[in-house]
Amino acid sequence: SQQGEEDPQALSIQEGENATMNCSYKTSINNLQWYRQNSGRGLVHLILIRSNEREKHSGRLRVTLDTSKKSSSLLITASRAADTASYFCATAMKTSYDKVIFGPGTSLSVIP
Amino acid sequence: KAGVTQTPRYLIKTRGQQVTLSCSPISGHRSVSWYQQTPGQGLQFLFEYFSETQRNKGNFPGRFSGRQFSNSRSEMNVSTLELGDSALYLCASSLEGANEKLFFGSGTQLSVL
Repeated sequence: SQQGEEDPQALSIQEGENATMNCSYKTSINNLQWYRQNSGRGLVHLILIRSNEREKHSGRLRVTLDTSKKSSSLLITASRAADTASYFCATAMKTSYDKVIFGPGTSLSVIP
Repeated sequence: KAGVTQTPRYLIKTRGQQVTLSCSPISGHRSVSWYQQTPGQGLQFLFEYFSETQRNKGNFPGRFSGRQFSNSRSEMNVSTLELGDSALYLCASSLEGANEKLFFGSGTQLSVL
């Protein structure tokens, strides 16, 4: 079964709007990461947030982590057509230093 | 610094054949992970290698195997191919493992006919 589950599965917004994606997981983690994948290509790392951190920013990206609720959110502000992609959360569990598990992903479409 | 290189980019095989995929990690990275991506199952963890040792393995049959060489390059092998093995196979490298960000290659698209 998946360790992480993203919500929503698909999201369609207008350029300039903000996009929020959520991720829930089941077991205690060392860190949670967000990745982006453009159609049929490799994944690109966006942000890594550790279990003792609550929020991280990178450019137009903001990630929050709530370990009590076992959830994370990725906010993309002022979206652009180039942000159209699939977004995945990935978790490294406390019991494992060698395995990163990916959720099913959120497909984001930004309409110009 | 060169990124993660996967070869070949595309591969077409028939059922029953075997296939070997190659992954060259970023220089200095000792951890290499392999994932299978399909529309129905998403990204599934296959295995992870560190300094030539397999440290973890996902829930795949024994037909899926891999290895890592002393220069950290890795190969994965799938024997007796089945139609369901058609997928994008992604390799990712990192310095030490799961506590750091992963750098992905562009993947090998395998089609089994």
